[in-house]
Amino acid sequence: DGGITQSPKYLFRKEGQNVTLSCEQNLNHDAMYWYRQDPGQGLRLIYYSQIVNDFQKGDIAEGYSVSREKKESFPLTVTSAQKNPTAFYLCASSGLPDPNEQYFGPGTRLTVT
Amino acid sequence: DAKTTQPPSMDCAEGRAANLPCNHSTISGNEYVYWYRQIHSQGPQYIIHGLKNNETNEMASLIITEDRKSSTLILPHATLRDTAVYYCIVRNHGSSNTGKLIFGQGTTLQVKP
Repeated sequence: DGGITQSPKYLFRKEGQNVTLSCEQNLNHDAMYWYRQDPGQGLRLIYYSQIVNDFQKGDIAEGYSVSREKKESFPLTVTSAQKNPTAFYLCASSGLPDPNEQYFGPGTRLTVT
Repeated sequence: DAKTTQPPSMDCAEGRAANLPCNHSTISGNEYVYWYRQIHSQGPQYIIHGLKNNETNEMASLIITEDRKSSTLILPHATLRDTAVYYCIVRNHGSSNTGKLIFGQGTTLQVKP
């Protein structure tokens, strides 16, 4: 079964700790994306990568970092510099046959206290 | 990318057609209309997209007005599982497009028995 997996589904951390969210896809997609969603709001783009070993900042990149060492994987690190890290984090990918259609993972709900 | 306007919420009776409107009066000639939906606490799911002709797939139909300033997503026989937030997104397919999807607040569709 092709798709995107994110783990874990729920994550709890203490303030001041860095935490890394996992995103893996087996769709052979070139592009991958990280979004953040706050309650009652739409999604906002954090980082995106259109090809391996390359990534760009989205609209709200401050306090986050990413890597894209493998095509299948695009982990997101939420650093202690992120002022309001508690949110629902969604990973997506896109590629052939329709590069304009994004496939989303199930999301990780991060709670920082 | 052009902005979109959607009603915040709608109700629909189970088994009836759900018609979700979207205004995109500033849409430009190379911008497509996309619809995604998000069931509570899950990742968004692609539904359909179109440029100017009406489109239909196994999930829904998309009707775009002749002047392209508005569109309607039609779920022909709504079920309880169609209860979700529906997002109308306008974006172009040009090479400068980063793939970013701009999610507004969407329309919360409540399908009632």
